[in-house]
Amino acid sequence: SQQGEEDPQALSIQEGENATMNCSYKTSINNLQWYRQNSGRGLVHLILIRSNEREKHSGRLRVTLDTSKKSSSLLITASRAADTASYFCATDARMDSSYKLIFGSGTRLLVRP
Amino acid sequence: DAGVTQSPTHLIKTRGQQVTLRCSPISGHKSVSWYQQVLGQGPQFIFQYYEKEERGRGNFPDRFSARQFPNYSSELNVNALLLGDSALYLCASSPGGGIQETQYFGPGTRLLVL
Repeated sequence: SQQGEEDPQALSIQEGENATMNCSYKTSINNLQWYRQNSGRGLVHLILIRSNEREKHSGRLRVTLDTSKKSSSLLITASRAADTASYFCATDARMDSSYKLIFGSGTRLLVRP
Repeated sequence: DAGVTQSPTHLIKTRGQQVTLRCSPISGHKSVSWYQQVLGQGPQFIFQYYEKEERGRGNFPDRFSARQFPNYSSELNVNALLLGDSALYLCASSPGGGIQETQYFGPGTRLLVL
C-alpha cells in the first residue's frame, strides 16, 4: 500500500488563485519531499522538509509538516498556467537495513488561464 | 551540466520477451534508483544502487534485476514480460547513498508490452 496519499486527487483553479494539496503518510519519516511531474515525464524536485522542520518556503511554494498528524501540505501561491502538472509527496520508509522512497498517488492540478 | 539521461525513450515489446533499460546519472552522483510508474499512479520503488552495490529493493518479482557499472551508469532488466509491465520506467540519481536525499529524475522510458 502507498505510504503517502495526496488529497485532493484533482484540483482545478483559476490563474492567480492559490492551490493547496495535502499528503498523509503512515510511518515515521526522516524527510518528506514534494515533486512535480508534467504530462507523464520525469519528476522535478520541488522541496524537501526534514522531520524536525515545521514549515519551509521556496519562491511561491510553502510546505508545512505536522509529524504528530503524519501530514504535510503544499501551497502554491498566485498560480500560473505553467503550474499545471501532477504533484507527488514522497516519504522515506525503512525496509530491513535500508530505506526506500515511497510516493503517493498524486494530485493533478489544472490552472485555467 | 547534463541531467539524468535514459534510453531508449520508448519501447514496444511482446509478452515473454526481455528488455534492458539504461540510465546515466548526473556527473558525480553515485546512487541510481529505478521506479515504475503505471498510468494514473505514483512511482513505485524498484531498486537502489550505490557504489555498484544494491542498497534497496522494492516489492517486485525476481524477473526484475539491475546493476550499476563502475562509471555509475545503470541497467534495469526485465525478463518474461507481462502486459502489466507496461509503464513509464524512471531512473533517478543522487550524490550519496541516502534514498532520503533529493532525487534527480530522468525523462523516463515508456514501455508498452503487447
